[in-house]
Amino acid sequence: NAGVTQTPKFRVLKTGQSMTLLCAQDMNHEYMYWYRQDPGMGLRLIHYSVGEGTTAKGEVPDGYNVSRLKKQNFLLGLESAAPSQTSVYFCASSYWGPEYYYNEQFFGPGTRLTVL
Amino acid sequence: AQKVTQAQTEISVVEKEDVTLDCVYETRDTTYYLFWYKQPPSGELVFLIRRNSFDEQNEISGRYSWNFQKSTSSFNFTITASQVVDSAVYFCALSEKVNTGFQKLVFGTGTRLLVSP
Repeated sequence: NAGVTQTPKFRVLKTGQSMTLLCAQDMNHEYMYWYRQDPGMGLRLIHYSVGEGTTAKGEVPDGYNVSRLKKQNFLLGLESAAPSQTSVYFCASSYWGPEYYYNEQFFGPGTRLTVL
Repeated sequence: AQKVTQAQTEISVVEKEDVTLDCVYETRDTTYYLFWYKQPPSGELVFLIRRNSFDEQNEISGRYSWNFQKSTSSFNFTITASQVVDSAVYFCALSEKVNTGFQKLVFGTGTRLLVSP
């Protein structure tokens, strides 16, 4: 099993350009997440999905869009990149659990994005 | 809202020393989960432990141990006889219920541990 994979690993954009980050998991997980990691701020949730065809906003959703057309894939889009979106982006996935149970999240290797 | 505080930004120790990483949390949920993740210099996030709020027993896994104290809202992580390979950023995280019944994670800002030979 590859686990959670992310494409690309590195990217440099100019302000105003667009791009899509791809996350794929082969563990048949229901839940998927996109985070950004900035120095001194830990990981912050951008968007998440509880199943195919569903998405929801996290803590810092502005400037990003997501789609989950297939259960195994979760795409993060930047329509018009800004320097403030320079960050390391992590995708994660986890199993569904009943209300009083919470499974650990499995993380991808990250994508380092620089917006000039 | 839920909050996780890791007050130690960076800790430096010499190999074989014991080191404790602190984690203090705030939550309004009666049932919740706490996690520790490790982020080595290579950048990936590695799951270390999950603890639910009903289980206050301490846990030991090799050189790692965790002390969960509900009374002080703390979930501290101790590495015994530290090694250079333990050098990493360590994140504490707390589950938070969302209205839909879904739970998400709230992360602390991390503690960078530097273990020198």
